Amino acid sequence: QLVLTQSPSASASLGASVKLTCTLSSAHTYDAIAWHQHQPERGPRYLMKLNSDGSHIKGGGIPDRFSGSSSGAERYLTISDLQSEDEADYYCQSWDTGPQVIFGGGTKLTVL
Amino acid sequence: EVQLLESGGGLVQPGGSLTVSCTGSGFIFNNYGMSWVRQAPGKGLEWVSGVSANGNWTHYADSVKGRFTVSRDNSKNMVYLQMNGLRADDTAVYYCAKDGPYLWYFDYWGRGTLVHVSS
Repeated sequence: QLVLTQSPSASASLGASVKLTCTLSSAHTYDAIAWHQHQPERGPRYLMKLNSDGSHIKGGGIPDRFSGSSSGAERYLTISDLQSEDEADYYCQSWDTGPQVIFGGGTKLTVL
Repeated sequence: EVQLLESGGGLVQPGGSLTVSCTGSGFIFNNYGMSWVRQAPGKGLEWVSGVSANGNWTHYADSVKGRFTVSRDNSKNMVYLQMNGLRADDTAVYYCAKDGPYLWYFDYWGRGTLVHVSS
């Protein structure tokens, strides 16, 4: 069964970079994921679909400051030149047989 | 511009029923699968149910199987979630999400509608 593991929180300073991690459970290390941003009082926003080889397809209007990469079972979301509006919850998402859509627990990003 | 707009949320008593709806615009509605995802207070996102583009296939999370029914009307660009036997732990904001070019990866979301189950 697919499990997506994320750290509950992360923080970085305005203008700095931060790298968020989503770890796939064993037997799913080659699966793709999607990253979504969820700001308070708003609907989630699709950022990108990220493949195991690090290639990614970003959503329309997503700034170049957002990028994705992969290493083994880990999928990363890097946000460069952090802005105050980047403060949000970030979720990774994929699917398992059934099908069942699976979300990670989310990472709450604080911009200092 | 792709837009998804949920409606129909509200306060319902435990054991009661409610149907929430989602209207899609700005894309060819009958080309894409649709899902419902919820977020309980203080919790993360949880997928609830999905329906294929033509409505022939439906899928559910174990937590709602047998109680919730997803359907769609492609002539109206709408997807529905009928919720029966509601419990307090069904209290959440319910979001409508659209499949992208790759099945089961969502590329657009609505703003959500709040369902509050309480006596």
